[in-house]
Amino acid sequence: KNQVEQSPQSLIILEGKNCTLQCNYTVSPFSNLRWYKQDTGRGPVSLTIMTFSENTKSNGRYTATLDADTKQSSLHITASQLSDSASYICVVSEREMNSGYSTLTFGKGTMLLVSP
Amino acid sequence: IAGITQAPTSQILAAGRRMTLRCTQDMRHNAMYWYRQDLGLGLRLIHYSNTAGTTGKGEVPDGYSVSRANTDDFPLTLASAVPSQTSVYFCASSDSPERGMRGAFFGQGTRLTVV
Repeated sequence: KNQVEQSPQSLIILEGKNCTLQCNYTVSPFSNLRWYKQDTGRGPVSLTIMTFSENTKSNGRYTATLDADTKQSSLHITASQLSDSASYICVVSEREMNSGYSTLTFGKGTMLLVSP
Repeated sequence: IAGITQAPTSQILAAGRRMTLRCTQDMRHNAMYWYRQDLGLGLRLIHYSNTAGTTGKGEVPDGYSVSRANTDDFPLTLASAVPSQTSVYFCASSDSPERGMRGAFFGQGTRLTVV
């Protein structure tokens, strides 16, 4: 069964500090991996999308890495701000060989709290 | 309208009642999806539609039905609500499932409480 495991489950950091969130997956065949940010009471918003051939992608202070061999990804947040407090969800897309459509497998998310 | 709009934003519903959650997108995306999000379980796919006129079952389809009469609208219906359907429901759309972009954009969610 396809699975996406995220760690830590929750994290508290001081404003201005850096942090790294982890995502391990067993999805196969792999299509792409995304990181979403979900603010409380809002829908998820895409931060990065990486395909098999990409091993790093940045979006402002967010940098995602992907190691397709070990099936691991990380999301690094630099110089954290209070507005970074949110749930960060790792989502892996599996390519359906016959139809060409894809299936998404969601991680349960890491809840980040940035404290002043 | 810009993006995906869900309605209502929240609802308290008596068990046994019928309820339709509305979802409309103005991006002309082919694919649309309904997810439910529960504490500790993450987002789970209920139903999806790869293109207008077609629908499919996701991970947790029981008790729910959908229709896709046109590109823009993808309503989710609970025929007879039960308390276990208390959840936050998210509608999503993507431009092309063939490119693995499924679920790229999410609505703001509908918080449903069944009592």
